[in-house]
Amino acid sequence: QVHLQESGPGLVKPSETLSLTCTISGDSIRSYYWTWIRQPAGKGLECIGRFSTSGSTDYNPSLKSRVTMSVDTSKNQFSLNVRSVTAADTAVYYCAREAQYRGTWYADYWGQGTLVTVSS
Amino acid sequence: EIVLTQTPATLSLSPGERATLSCRASQHVSSYLAWYQRKPGQAPRLLIYDASKRATGIPARFSGSGSGTDFTLTISSLEPEDLAVYYCLQRGYWPWTFGQGTKLEIK
Repeated sequence: QVHLQESGPGLVKPSETLSLTCTISGDSIRSYYWTWIRQPAGKGLECIGRFSTSGSTDYNPSLKSRVTMSVDTSKNQFSLNVRSVTAADTAVYYCAREAQYRGTWYADYWGQGTLVTVSS
Repeated sequence: EIVLTQTPATLSLSPGERATLSCRASQHVSSYLAWYQRKPGQAPRLLIYDASKRATGIPARFSGSGSGTDFTLTISSLEPEDLAVYYCLQRGYWPWTFGQGTKLEIK
């Protein structure tokens, strides 16, 4: 069974960098897309970005200037950095796997999510 | 980016009743639409992909329909465990976008 687990600080100061890691168990990080999604309290889900280990990367244009995603295949992990955070970045952050369903990529396994609060 | 509007925001029904959840896209997304179920304290679960195809292990009481801009998730006969928030997702155009969700309450 595929399992994804987000980890990282639950509290980040304004203007600093938010860093999260997603650890995958039960499957290899290769051959899929991996996605970060977030949900601020009381608001909708927002795709932050996605990448494949073959090198393809897509960032949400609204966040592109502040976001970096990276992968460590030896640890079966991938990471998210969001620079220069503000209170608007306070949200539950999810990592998810995208797999091909009849040729189209859909997120099928998600982590439980981790709350990150931006506050001094 | 494409905006998905889900209606109703909240739906309250009794076990055995039929639930109809709607999702409307601001632009044509072909059939590149998925439905997810998120139960309290759990990770979202993929129910439907390509607008009408059930994901592995999803009960037959869940069905999806629609294409273009108007989509529907139908739960034919509600079970108490269907209590959840249901989201639609379009992956026709990047960035993928989600609807605001429909909260399904079981009376």
